[in-house]
Formats: sequence, structure tokens, C-alpha cells
Amino acid sequence: EAQVTQNPRYLITVTGKKLTVTCSQNMNHEYMSWYRQDPGLGLRQIYYSMNVEVTDKGDVPEGYKVSRKEKRNFPLILESPSPNQTSLYFCASSLSTDYNSPLHFGNGTRLTVT
Amino acid sequence: AQKVTQAQTEISVVEKEDVTLDCVYETRDTTYYLFWYKQPPSGELVFLIRRNSFDEQNEISGRYSWNFQKSTSSFNFTITASQVVDSAVYFCALRSLGFNKFYFGSGTKLNVKP
Repeated sequence: EAQVTQNPRYLITVTGKKLTVTCSQNMNHEYMSWYRQDPGLGLRQIYYSMNVEVTDKGDVPEGYKVSRKEKRNFPLILESPSPNQTSLYFCASSLSTDYNSPLHFGNGTRLTVT
Repeated sequence: AQKVTQAQTEISVVEKEDVTLDCVYETRDTTYYLFWYKQPPSGELVFLIRRNSFDEQNEISGRYSWNFQKSTSSFNFTITASQVVDSAVYFCALRSLGFNKFYFGSGTKLNVKP
């Protein structure tokens, strides 16, 4: 089954404790991206990647890191989480060569930073 | 600048009523792509439809229909004879040719009451 898999679904952590949210897709998509969803603000892009070893900042990259060492994986790293990073996070992928290609989303990770 | 506006924050209707969700977009590009996504209470993001800027034909899929009007930069979504299962947050998104970002509106929460 074609899918984007995020883990974990729920995560509670404390300020400053490094964490990683994993994302993997099995559709051979070049494009992968991370979003955060906050009430009233919709989905805001954090980082995106057009292909292996190619990453770029989205609209809200501060406090986040990503890497794209393999085509299927695109982990999101919070090296020193803060309470304002409490949010619902989504990973997504699509074909970068086809701008008509929709984003396929993972099921989301709800992060709470205390 | 790329921007998507969903002015309706929340809409409540009674089952079987028709409802239209508005989406207004801004872009200077002549080639662009529009998308609608549904986020049910379970939280996942489900792709509903895409439309490119050269195809102004309206689309109907069962109880769902989409009205794309370039003259007013709108891509509105109508649900006919709404059902409780239609209760969700709906997002409109824009992607312009050559841009690596999807721009999302802030979403419209639809409540369908029995």
C-alpha cells in the first residue's frame, strides 16, 4: 500500500531534550516536506526536500533541522525543543517532476513540549 | 506573492443542507495548481481534488462539486445534501509552476449536525 509513515503519533517531551520524528514513504517520491498545523494558522511549511541531499527552508524553519540521506526517509529533528514547538506535525511527499501531483500526507505527530 | 485565503473559519449546517466553502488565491503566475484536502476528526489529511490553471471546467463527484473561476481567483467547493460524515476541516492549497512550496489556506471547519 502506498503510504507515508510517521512515527511516533504522539510525543510528550521536556524543553531542551533533543528529539527526532521519522518519516518514510514507499512511493519513490522525490519531493518531501514537513508542515506544522496550529489552530487558525492552517498548515505551515517547515522544510522541504526536492531529492536526496537537497533540502531547503520553508516558512517556519527556526528550531528545526532535517536531513535527506535516502530518498524514502526525511526525519525532522528538534535539537532543543521549546514549548512554542508544541503542535501537530505532518510529513508529506509528492512527485517533484509533476507540479500537478498532490501531496500525500502521513497521519501526523502530535508533539507536546513542557 | 502566493497566498490562499479561506475566509470562513467555521460553518455549521444541518444535515441535507447544501454548503459552499470558499477559497480565494493570489498568484502572479499563469501556470498554477489548486488542491482541496479534507481533515476529518481523526486527523489525517485526505486529498480530494486538483485543478490546473488551464482547466476551468467545473468538476462534480457525487455530492461534491468544485467551481474554478480565474476571473475571481476562486476555487470554491460545494457539498450538496451534506451528511454528518462531511464534518471536517477543509483546506485549499496552491502551487505555482517553478515553486517548491504548497501554500495552504487556514482551513474551514464544517460542522454538519443531524
